Amino acid sequence: DAKTTQPNSMESNEEEPVHLPCNHSTISGTDYIHWYRQLPSQGPEYVIHGLTSNVNNRMASLAIAEDRKSSTLILHRATLRDAAVYYCILREGGTSYGKLTFGQGTILTVHP
Amino acid sequence: DAGITQSPRHKVTETGTPVTLRCHQTENHRYMYWYRQDPGHGLRLIHYSYGVKDTDKGEVSDGYSVSRSKTEDFLLTLESATSSQTSVYFCAISAVQGGTTEAFFGQGTRLTVV
Repeated sequence: DAKTTQPNSMESNEEEPVHLPCNHSTISGTDYIHWYRQLPSQGPEYVIHGLTSNVNNRMASLAIAEDRKSSTLILHRATLRDAAVYYCILREGGTSYGKLTFGQGTILTVHP
Repeated sequence: DAGITQSPRHKVTETGTPVTLRCHQTENHRYMYWYRQDPGHGLRLIHYSYGVKDTDKGEVSDGYSVSRSKTEDFLLTLESATSSQTSVYFCAISAVQGGTTEAFFGQGTRLTVV
């Protein structure tokens, strides 16, 4: 699987937007960009995914660069519950969705 | 939570003893996975299954075996536990949810080998 690069940690204040970057310069044309997060003492949970176009769901937005070499997960209004490790993962299209290659992720700290 | 239950949730065992961890799902999903997570690291895939009696190795399969005799159960066995296998183990399934296919993870099993 292609590799992703994320900052080790980021901080935010409650109710402010958070932009979590991810670089994936070796992404192939069939790779999907997935984001998962892991709350303390829990298993990872799905946040969002996309291929080429920007995506929105109830949890977050995903902005994908035009050349697809980078993407940004956007939490529009951070809450204390959003404090977690966020993983940006590339997954080859057509293969099993659970066979994921995790990096170290970004530890997000949210201050009240 | 896609009906995933891991058991036990915590276990302490001695080096050299066999250990079996169980992952049970209630929703008939085809794909199941076992990951391990060590401090400061992301999850690493151990083994996965794409159907009853159909399994394959992941990134860190040495020292582990799996079995899937029923759709709902995926067992991970450490034949002879070592201290390097002290870790948190997560089971996962992949399922269609809200028009997309996602991976869903269990709550994890914390295994300590002393």
